[in-house]
Amino acid sequence: DQQVKQNSPSLSVQEGRISILNCDYTNSMFDYFLWYKKYPAEGPTFLISISSIKDKNEDGRFTVFLNKSAKHLSLHIVPSQPGDSAVYFCAAIYFGNEKLTFGTGTRLTIIP
Amino acid sequence: KAGVTQTPRYLIKTRGQQVTLSCSPISGHRSVSWYQQTPGQGLQFLFEYFSETQRNKGNFPGRFSGRQFSNSRSEMNVSTLELGDSALYLCASSGEERDRYYEQYFGPGTRLTVT
Repeated sequence: DQQVKQNSPSLSVQEGRISILNCDYTNSMFDYFLWYKKYPAEGPTFLISISSIKDKNEDGRFTVFLNKSAKHLSLHIVPSQPGDSAVYFCAAIYFGNEKLTFGTGTRLTIIP
Repeated sequence: KAGVTQTPRYLIKTRGQQVTLSCSPISGHRSVSWYQQTPGQGLQFLFEYFSETQRNKGNFPGRFSGRQFSNSRSEMNVSTLELGDSALYLCASSGEERDRYYEQYFGPGTRLTVT
């Protein structure tokens, strides 16, 4: 049972444009969501997170939006840069079960 | 602060052998989690330790075990290795900062190959 889903395995975006990565979840107990960036053969790097009591969180070029009613979150990267090319994972967690449940990842390619 | 470190970075073992992987968390972090990444199954949670106690466990067989020491360093052990255990094993630590309790920071991983 895939509780966190990233339905787009890949995404290509022109440099300077906005990249939007999407994530859906099914477990309504999740109360905290995170985005990680990963290069091959390396550990995931934490990017940004959001608590379920908020609907938006910004950090520089990265903004995460949460729509609880739709059980959907998205990561916006503006402007996209070549160094943003990587696999992006969304993850979810809830109090009392401190394990991250990851989506399957979206490979983002920024075209120069 | 120094990040999460894992040793060794690469390992090659034979079926039936056992292996121990080590993880040193970020200084001050007391929670250490282990994950397995494979192409077919993605990133899957193995177990989490907090203050030397296993607090959460994923759906892996008993061949996978771990422990945490008083300095928060953690080890993971896999006994009777199978070919399917070939994977990138990732360790993550998290602290207790208010509003950031759930943020886990990952090490570079140990690439285990079972032949």
